[in-house]
Amino acid sequence: GIQVEQSPPDLILQEGANSTLRCNFSDSVNNLQWFHQNPWGQLINLFYIPSGTKQNGRLSATTVATERYSLLYISSSQTTDSGVYFCAVVMWGSQGNLIFGKGTKLSVKP
Amino acid sequence: SAVISQKPSRDICQRGTSLTIQCQVDSQVTMMFWYRQQPGQSLTLIATANQGSEATYESGFVIDKFPISRPNLTFSTLTVSNMSPEDSSIYLCSVMDRDVGGYTFGSGTRLTVV
Repeated sequence: GIQVEQSPPDLILQEGANSTLRCNFSDSVNNLQWFHQNPWGQLINLFYIPSGTKQNGRLSATTVATERYSLLYISSSQTTDSGVYFCAVVMWGSQGNLIFGKGTKLSVKP
Repeated sequence: SAVISQKPSRDICQRGTSLTIQCQVDSQVTMMFWYRQQPGQSLTLIATANQGSEATYESGFVIDKFPISRPNLTFSTLTVSNMSPEDSSIYLCSVMDRDVGGYTFGSGTRLTVV
């Protein structure tokens, strides 16, 4: 099956710093999403981005489908950005379920 | 975008008992997905639930342990049966959200089995 690899697994930042999270996937996909899981376990949809670039405030994402990777940029990080960031994909020809990477755990210190 | 109401949000259960988790969507959807997230781990698909047919289970998950109902296009339940401490996890339901693209998740059920 498809492999979804995220890096780094853990990241500690000082408030105000910028960061880049990476997601590599081993096969063609027709859906890619970035999620933020907050400390209460709720999964928040950040971006639906099977290709191209999107921006939402301090966050932006880029997916290069032909090279099978996606990047999530966080600028001017805040303590509320802490949590786990997941990349998830849907394979072409599948029943449509998401396959998740193992996540990047981000801690932003004040 | 689709809104999913999931309940209960959390529960502490005795081993050997069962818990039923409910997900209600504010729009009609063909498929609903149930995921499990064990402590410190990523999300794993349990099963896909289509209205009017048996749920499709992933390898490692069986209907006797995780029976699913899908009585209509807006509602589904997942039951965790004969629970053991190893079932302590967050359980989440998900649907495809055509308004925004991609998938939306319920708020999750944090289950602790003692």
